[in-house]
Amino acid sequence: DTEVTQTPKHLVMGMTNKKSLKCEQHMGHRAMYWYKQKAKKPPELMFVYSYEKLSINESVPSRFSPECPNSSLLNLHLHALQPEDSALYLCASSQEDTSSYNEQFFGPGTRLTVL
Amino acid sequence: GEDVEQSLFLSVREGDSSVINCTYTDSSSTYLYWYKQEPGAGLQLLTYIFSNMDMKQDQRLTVLLNKKDKHLSLRIADTQTGDSAIYFCAELSPGGGNKLTFGTGTQLKVEL
Repeated sequence: DTEVTQTPKHLVMGMTNKKSLKCEQHMGHRAMYWYKQKAKKPPELMFVYSYEKLSINESVPSRFSPECPNSSLLNLHLHALQPEDSALYLCASSQEDTSSYNEQFFGPGTRLTVL
Repeated sequence: GEDVEQSLFLSVREGDSSVINCTYTDSSSTYLYWYKQEPGAGLQLLTYIFSNMDMKQDQRLTVLLNKKDKHLSLRIADTQTGDSAIYFCAELSPGGGNKLTFGTGTQLKVEL
Protein backbone atom coordinates (compact mmCIF):
# COMPACT_ATOMS: atom_id res chain seq x y z
CA ASP A 1 0.00 0.00 0.00
CA THR A 2 1.71 3.18 -1.24
CA GLU A 3 -1.27 5.45 -0.85
CA VAL A 4 -2.02 8.49 1.23
CA THR A 5 -5.76 9.01 1.64
CA GLN A 6 -7.48 12.26 2.56
CA THR A 7 -11.06 12.96 3.59
CA PRO A 8 -13.19 14.73 2.72
CA LYS A 9 -12.42 15.38 -0.93
CA HIS A 10 -14.35 18.66 -0.86
CA LEU A 11 -15.42 20.83 2.09
CA VAL A 12 -17.46 24.01 2.20
CA MET A 13 -17.63 25.79 5.53
CA GLY A 14 -18.72 29.09 7.01
CA MET A 15 -16.39 31.35 8.93
CA THR A 16 -17.92 30.30 12.26
CA ASN A 17 -17.79 26.55 11.64
CA LYS A 18 -15.40 24.01 13.11
CA LYS A 19 -14.32 21.20 10.83
CA SER A 20 -11.46 18.71 10.51
CA LEU A 21 -9.44 17.34 7.61
CA LYS A 22 -8.15 13.81 7.90
CA CYS A 23 -5.14 12.05 6.39
CA GLU A 24 -4.09 8.41 6.66
CA GLN A 25 -1.13 6.32 5.46
CA HIS A 26 -0.14 2.71 6.10
CA MET A 27 3.38 2.76 4.69
CA GLY A 28 5.03 2.89 8.10
CA HIS A 29 6.19 6.45 7.46
CA ARG A 30 7.11 8.40 10.56
CA ALA A 31 7.07 11.88 9.01
CA MET A 32 3.78 13.50 7.97
CA TYR A 33 3.11 16.92 6.46
CA TRP A 34 0.36 19.43 5.77
CA TYR A 35 0.67 21.75 2.77
CA LYS A 36 -1.61 24.52 1.52
CA GLN A 37 -1.87 25.10 -2.22
CA LYS A 38 -3.64 28.06 -3.80
CA ALA A 39 -4.71 27.90 -7.44
CA LYS A 40 -1.82 28.04 -9.92
CA LYS A 41 0.71 28.24 -7.05
CA PRO A 42 3.17 25.75 -5.54
CA PRO A 43 2.37 23.91 -2.31
CA GLU A 44 3.43 25.78 0.81
CA LEU A 45 4.50 23.82 3.84
CA MET A 46 2.37 24.36 6.95
CA PHE A 47 3.35 21.66 9.48
CA VAL A 48 5.65 18.67 9.81
CA TYR A 49 5.22 15.86 12.31
CA SER A 50 8.12 13.57 13.07
CA TYR A 51 7.47 10.48 15.18
CA GLU A 52 4.09 11.96 16.12
CA LYS A 53 5.63 15.17 17.46
CA LEU A 54 5.27 18.55 15.81
CA SER A 55 8.71 19.42 14.43
CA ILE A 56 7.96 22.32 12.06
CA ASN A 57 5.24 25.00 12.25
CA GLU A 58 5.72 27.50 9.45
CA SER A 59 4.14 30.36 11.43
CA VAL A 60 0.66 29.13 10.60
CA PRO A 61 -2.26 31.06 12.20
CA SER A 62 -3.77 29.38 15.26
CA ARG A 63 -7.11 28.88 13.48
CA PHE A 64 -5.33 25.86 11.95
CA SER A 65 -4.58 23.22 14.59
CA PRO A 66 -2.76 20.02 13.60
CA GLU A 67 -2.98 16.75 15.47
CA CYS A 68 -1.17 13.44 15.04
CA PRO A 69 -3.07 10.87 17.13
CA ASN A 70 -0.88 7.97 15.95
CA SER A 71 1.78 7.17 13.39
CA SER A 72 -0.78 6.52 10.62
CA LEU A 73 -3.12 9.46 11.10
CA LEU A 74 -2.83 13.21 10.73
CA ASN A 75 -5.65 15.67 11.31
CA LEU A 76 -6.01 19.38 10.66
CA HIS A 77 -8.64 21.08 12.81
CA LEU A 78 -10.14 24.23 11.37
CA HIS A 79 -11.89 26.98 13.31
CA ALA A 80 -12.92 30.54 12.47
CA LEU A 81 -11.37 30.42 9.01
CA GLN A 82 -11.32 33.32 6.58
CA PRO A 83 -12.30 33.26 2.89
CA GLU A 84 -8.62 33.64 1.96
CA ASP A 85 -8.00 30.23 3.58
CA SER A 86 -9.85 28.61 0.67
CA ALA A 87 -7.33 26.33 -1.03
CA LEU A 88 -6.32 22.73 -1.71
CA TYR A 89 -4.91 21.16 1.46
CA LEU A 90 -2.44 18.41 0.76
CA CYS A 91 -1.18 15.79 3.16
CA ALA A 92 2.09 13.93 2.56
CA SER A 93 4.19 11.32 4.31
CA SER A 94 7.75 10.06 4.09
CA GLN A 95 10.34 7.94 5.78
CA GLU A 96 12.08 9.79 8.58
CA ASP A 97 15.53 9.23 7.10
CA THR A 98 17.82 12.16 6.36
CA SER A 99 20.40 9.94 4.64
CA SER A 100 18.28 9.17 1.59
CA TYR A 101 16.33 11.05 -1.03
CA ASN A 102 13.28 10.80 1.18
CA GLU A 103 10.37 10.77 -1.26
CA GLN A 104 7.26 12.49 0.01
CA PHE A 105 4.07 10.67 -0.98
CA PHE A 106 1.13 13.01 -1.45
CA GLY A 107 -2.56 12.47 -0.98
CA PRO A 108 -5.08 13.84 -3.51
CA GLY A 109 -5.96 16.76 -1.26
CA THR A 110 -9.06 18.32 0.25
CA ARG A 111 -10.52 21.23 -1.69
CA LEU A 112 -11.66 23.71 0.99
CA THR A 113 -13.99 26.63 0.34
CA VAL A 114 -14.66 29.13 3.15
CA LEU A 115 -17.77 31.26 2.66
CA GLY B 1 12.99 35.07 0.66
CA GLU B 2 13.85 34.22 -2.91
CA ASP B 3 11.51 32.05 -4.96
CA VAL B 4 12.56 28.88 -6.74
CA GLU B 5 11.84 30.09 -10.27
CA GLN B 6 10.34 28.28 -13.22
CA SER B 7 8.87 29.50 -16.49
CA LEU B 8 5.08 29.52 -16.30
CA PHE B 9 4.07 27.71 -19.43
CA LEU B 10 5.44 25.36 -22.10
CA SER B 11 3.63 24.04 -25.15
CA VAL B 12 5.03 21.20 -27.29
CA ARG B 13 3.80 18.86 -29.99
CA GLU B 14 3.29 15.19 -29.25
CA GLY B 15 6.49 13.26 -29.97
CA ASP B 16 8.78 16.25 -29.44
CA SER B 17 11.08 16.70 -26.44
CA SER B 18 10.12 19.04 -23.61
CA VAL B 19 12.64 20.89 -21.46
CA ILE B 20 11.48 22.44 -18.21
CA ASN B 21 13.92 24.70 -16.37
CA CYS B 22 14.28 25.62 -12.72
CA THR B 23 16.54 28.05 -10.86
CA TYR B 24 16.82 27.14 -7.22
CA THR B 25 18.02 29.18 -4.29
CA ASP B 26 20.15 27.17 -1.87
CA SER B 27 23.50 25.96 -3.17
CA SER B 28 23.78 23.58 -0.20
CA SER B 29 20.55 21.71 -0.99
CA THR B 30 21.27 17.99 -0.87
CA TYR B 31 18.51 16.66 -3.10
CA LEU B 32 16.52 18.25 -5.90
CA TYR B 33 13.28 16.81 -7.19
CA TRP B 34 10.79 16.97 -10.01
CA TYR B 35 7.12 16.48 -9.14
CA LYS B 36 4.14 16.23 -11.51
CA GLN B 37 0.64 17.42 -10.63
CA GLU B 38 -2.33 16.51 -12.79
CA PRO B 39 -5.58 18.52 -12.49
CA GLY B 40 -7.41 17.91 -9.22
CA ALA B 41 -4.70 15.58 -7.92
CA GLY B 42 -1.83 15.54 -5.48
CA LEU B 43 1.82 15.61 -6.45
CA GLN B 44 3.69 12.60 -7.81
CA LEU B 45 7.47 12.31 -7.61
CA LEU B 46 8.92 11.78 -11.09
CA THR B 47 12.62 11.77 -10.35
CA TYR B 48 15.28 13.25 -8.12
CA ILE B 49 18.99 14.02 -8.26
CA PHE B 50 21.58 14.15 -5.53
CA SER B 51 23.62 17.35 -5.44
CA ASN B 52 26.94 15.63 -6.29
CA MET B 53 25.57 14.44 -9.65
CA ASP B 54 25.48 16.36 -12.94
CA MET B 55 22.99 14.20 -14.78
CA LYS B 56 20.50 11.46 -14.17
CA GLN B 57 18.55 9.50 -16.78
CA ASP B 58 15.43 7.50 -16.04
CA GLN B 59 13.66 6.12 -19.13
CA ARG B 60 12.18 9.17 -20.96
CA LEU B 61 13.36 11.59 -18.26
CA THR B 62 16.76 13.28 -18.11
CA VAL B 63 17.70 15.60 -15.27
CA LEU B 64 20.61 18.02 -15.62
CA LEU B 65 22.09 19.86 -12.65
CA ASN B 66 24.41 22.86 -12.84
CA LYS B 67 25.38 23.62 -9.24
CA LYS B 68 27.47 26.64 -10.11
CA ASP B 69 24.46 28.39 -11.67
CA LYS B 70 21.91 26.70 -9.35
CA HIS B 71 20.09 25.52 -12.45
CA LEU B 72 18.09 22.31 -12.78
CA SER B 73 16.33 21.03 -15.88
CA LEU B 74 14.00 18.19 -16.78
CA ARG B 75 13.92 16.84 -20.31
CA ILE B 76 11.01 14.61 -21.32
CA ALA B 77 11.71 12.67 -24.51
CA ASP B 78 8.89 11.69 -26.89
CA THR B 79 6.35 13.81 -24.99
CA GLN B 80 2.84 12.34 -24.89
CA THR B 81 -0.58 13.91 -24.21
CA GLY B 82 -0.55 12.13 -20.84
CA ASP B 83 2.44 14.26 -19.89
CA SER B 84 0.25 17.38 -19.84
CA ALA B 85 0.36 18.59 -16.23
CA ILE B 86 2.03 21.10 -13.95
CA TYR B 87 5.66 20.29 -13.13
CA PHE B 88 7.29 21.52 -9.93
CA CYS B 89 10.96 21.40 -9.08
CA ALA B 90 11.74 21.25 -5.37
CA GLU B 91 14.81 21.55 -3.20
CA LEU B 92 15.40 19.81 0.11
CA SER B 93 16.62 22.25 2.74
CA PRO B 94 19.93 21.08 4.21
CA GLY B 95 19.00 22.05 7.74
CA GLY B 96 17.00 18.89 8.34
CA GLY B 97 13.31 18.52 9.05
CA ASN B 98 12.55 17.18 5.55
CA LYS B 99 11.51 20.63 4.41
CA LEU B 100 10.83 20.92 0.68
CA THR B 101 10.65 24.27 -1.08
CA PHE B 102 8.78 24.04 -4.37
CA GLY B 103 9.35 26.02 -7.52
CA THR B 104 6.66 28.23 -9.01
CA GLY B 105 5.53 25.47 -11.38
CA THR B 106 5.49 25.04 -15.18
CA GLN B 107 2.29 24.10 -16.97
CA LEU B 108 3.13 21.72 -19.82
CA LYS B 109 0.60 21.44 -22.62
CA VAL B 110 1.09 18.71 -25.21
CA GLU B 111 -0.70 19.24 -28.50
CA LEU B 112 -1.47 16.67 -31.17
